[in-house]
Amino acid sequence: GAVVSQHPSRVICKSGTSVKIECRSLDFQATTMFWYRQFPKQSLMLMATSNEGSKATYEQGVEKDKFLINHASLTLSTLTVTSAHPEDSSFYICSARVAGTPTYEQYFGPGTRLTVT
Amino acid sequence: AQSVTQLDSHVSVSEGTPVLLRCNYSSSYSPSLFWYVQHPNKGLQLLLKYTSAATLVKGINGFEAEFKKSETSFHLTKPSAHMSDAAEYFCVVTYTGTASKLTFGTGTRLQVTL
Repeated sequence: GAVVSQHPSRVICKSGTSVKIECRSLDFQATTMFWYRQFPKQSLMLMATSNEGSKATYEQGVEKDKFLINHASLTLSTLTVTSAHPEDSSFYICSARVAGTPTYEQYFGPGTRLTVT
Repeated sequence: AQSVTQLDSHVSVSEGTPVLLRCNYSSSYSPSLFWYVQHPNKGLQLLLKYTSAATLVKGINGFEAEFKKSETSFHLTKPSAHMSDAAEYFCVVTYTGTASKLTFGTGTRLQVTL
């Protein structure tokens, strides 16, 4: 089946630094990738949608200058949290959609736990 | 706005007994509904989906769900729980025209005891 990986699985960084999270589709081409944020005991919240080769579309309330998303190839999207602060600590999950499949079918990565100290 | 409500944050069952995880959705438009399972350190996995075909949907690992429009519900059931079913379960909705945005419920943690 379609596999999506994320790297790193866990990262700790100091306040004020930036951290990059990678999302890769391992065995398929993903024209669209999604980035979610999950708070403890809460649901996943969509942060942004990225299409290969174009700018990401951010959800209302998500700071595009803080959460930089790049989808430079059909198998890789990156999320960079810039000038991270403790309130950015969360579980970040990406998903990918296979070209030509129903829009609702997304394959999810295992997530990245970010802790900002 | 679309939304789903998972009525239980935590459900505990004994192995071999039935599982019922409850989900209600908002009814602005005809929805597509899904159940996903999240095991620790694993990506969310699609269990089953309803997309306006048969109202009783069968999924993987013996799970099924029934779409009831009159009750705006999409409860997940399994006749007999297995220890490996212990995980977090999410009810998810999307609607035509929302550009594939998925709206997640808050999740139900299923605990299976011996």
